[in-house]
Amino acid sequence: DTGVSQDPRHKITKRGQNVTFRCDPISEHNRLYWYRQTLGQGPEFLTYFQNEAQLEKSRLLSDRFSAERPKGSFSTLEIQRTEQGDSAMYLCASSLGSGGGTNEQFFGPGTRLTVL
Amino acid sequence: AQKVTQAQTEISVVEKEDVTLDCVYETRDTTYYLFWYKQPPSGELVFLIRRNSFDEQNEISGRYSWNFQKSTSSFNFTITASQVVDSAVYFCALSEAGGNTPLVFGKGTRLSVIA
Repeated sequence: DTGVSQDPRHKITKRGQNVTFRCDPISEHNRLYWYRQTLGQGPEFLTYFQNEAQLEKSRLLSDRFSAERPKGSFSTLEIQRTEQGDSAMYLCASSLGSGGGTNEQFFGPGTRLTVL
Repeated sequence: AQKVTQAQTEISVVEKEDVTLDCVYETRDTTYYLFWYKQPPSGELVFLIRRNSFDEQNEISGRYSWNFQKSTSSFNFTITASQVVDSAVYFCALSEAGGNTPLVFGKGTRLSVIA
């Protein structure tokens, strides 16, 4: 049973460049979440999907951010024209379903982004 | 608005001591879930426990125990006989609408267990 995987684990880029991260959830999980964590803070919600539908986007998700989950399996998070303030750990999580006893989220190892 | 407060930023204990991590939450919802996650130095968040708003029974799992009190909006976490491997950042989190909303995390408590 494989857990949530994320690729790459680390990304260093120059300001203004575009970056894309990938998340592969646990295979039978319908929900996929993206969070961002900065140093000394708890994870902050960015967006989430139920299968291929993007159900909610946080106000933290500026126009430079876009996320997709085209076939309801893996997801990508793209950041265009990166800024130094985008430097953070980007976490992906998945859960079996919504509510009740299926809502615990399992997290991947994260992608650490450094914008120079 | 939902909010989770972990007032203790850092705690340091000597191995074998008991330690309690505090979590206070705010929500107007009546059906919600509370969670605890552990983030060891490797960085990956590890799920520890889920508790729904209708279940105020305390839970014990090995050296870990959780005390949920709706009257004080608290969901505290106690580690008994702490070990060095318990050193990590611990996060409390809340999900409203019967667990249908994304998690709202506290800022975390960094626990250092010294041998």
